[in-house]
Parts: sequence; C-alpha cells; structure tokens
Amino acid sequence: GAVVSQHPSWVICKSGTSVKIECRSLDFQATTMFWYRQFPKQSLMLMATSNEGSKATYEQGVEKDKFLINHASLTLSTLTVTSAHPEDSSFYICSAYGTGGAYGYTFGSGTRLTVV
Amino acid sequence: GQQVMQIPQYQHVQEGEDFTTYCNSSTTLSNIQWYKQRPGGHPVFLIQLVKSGEVKKQKRLTFQFGEAKKNSSLHITATQTTDVGTYFCAGTNNDMRFGAGTRLTVKP
Repeated sequence: GAVVSQHPSWVICKSGTSVKIECRSLDFQATTMFWYRQFPKQSLMLMATSNEGSKATYEQGVEKDKFLINHASLTLSTLTVTSAHPEDSSFYICSAYGTGGAYGYTFGSGTRLTVV
Repeated sequence: GQQVMQIPQYQHVQEGEDFTTYCNSSTTLSNIQWYKQRPGGHPVFLIQLVKSGEVKKQKRLTFQFGEAKKNSSLHITATQTTDVGTYFCAGTNNDMRFGAGTRLTVKP
C-alpha cells in the first residue's frame, strides 16, 4: 500500500530556532499534501493544503510566514516552523493525496515537536 | 515503538451491507480516535473512546474500545453511498499514532 514517510518522529529545539519536517511519498506521487497539528486531547487541526509546484493554502489563523510549506516535487513536501516558541510545541502530521495508484489519502506517522 | 495496525486496507460493499474496520495497537492506549475522510476532503473527527470496553453509537455507526484498550472497531450498519471514504483510527499512548486507514467504497 501507499506509504508516506515523515521525519523526524520527534524533535526538541531551542526557542528561536527553526525546524524542518519532511514528508515523502514512497511509492506514489503526492499531488496534494495536507499539514495538521494536534494539541493534547484534541482532534487534528488542518493547517494548510499544498499542491505540487504552487503556493500552499493556509487555514484561517495559521501564520504563513511562521509555518513555511514547500511542495517542490511530487514526492516531497516540507513544513518549516520558523523561530519556534514553546507554544509551537505540538504534534504535526502530514497527509498525502496522490495519483498513480488510486491510494486515496495516506498519513505520515507524525512529528512531536518540543520547543524549550 | 508504538504501532497501530488497521485492517482491512480496502473494503468494497453493496449498499445496505454492513462494514467493519479494526484497529490494533502494540501498546495500551489512553484513548483512540476515529476519523473519516471523504474523497477530495481532509479527515474529519468522528469520535474519541477513552474507557475500557466503551461502546458509543452515532446513528448507524458503532464504535468499540477493547477491554485491554489495545483494540478498537468501527461498525457501520446498512451502508449508504454517503458512507464512502477512508476511515482512520488514531491511538494515543505518549503520542498519537494513526492506522493506515480503511478505504470504503459502496456500490449503489
């Protein structure tokens, strides 16, 4: 089946630094990538949707200059949390929709970000 | 590490038939959530189960959480074409881990 590899699984960084999270579709072409975050005991919150080669569409309330999304190829999308602060600590997960296999939507395994 | 296995990966049913998807975790979970994602959409939260042996119903959907809090199921009675989509479980221990999802198609 379709696999989306998300790295890193967890990361601890200092306040003010930037962190990049990668999602790669391993056996299909991800034409659309969704990025979510989740706070403890809450459901997923959609942050943005990106299509290959175009700018991401951000949900209301999500700072596009803080959460940089790049979807430069059909197999790779990245989310960079810039100038991270403790309130950015959360669980981030990507979900890819692709072609070439009719796999539907596939989630990455998620990234636990802790900003200290 | 913690893993959540979900089966089946795909399920095709005739409208009116029942459907069940199962999730199993390698570790005891604090809770499990279920999501539905329609084609072209993003996952939508359905429900959260917390208690051992818990059973919750939403119209034709029945959710169960196992006694050991390691497995869960979603059962849909008399499927309709509006049930089409991918159903994900997500189990939480220290972190949330998602199952691979079950893609349901319904033939009218």
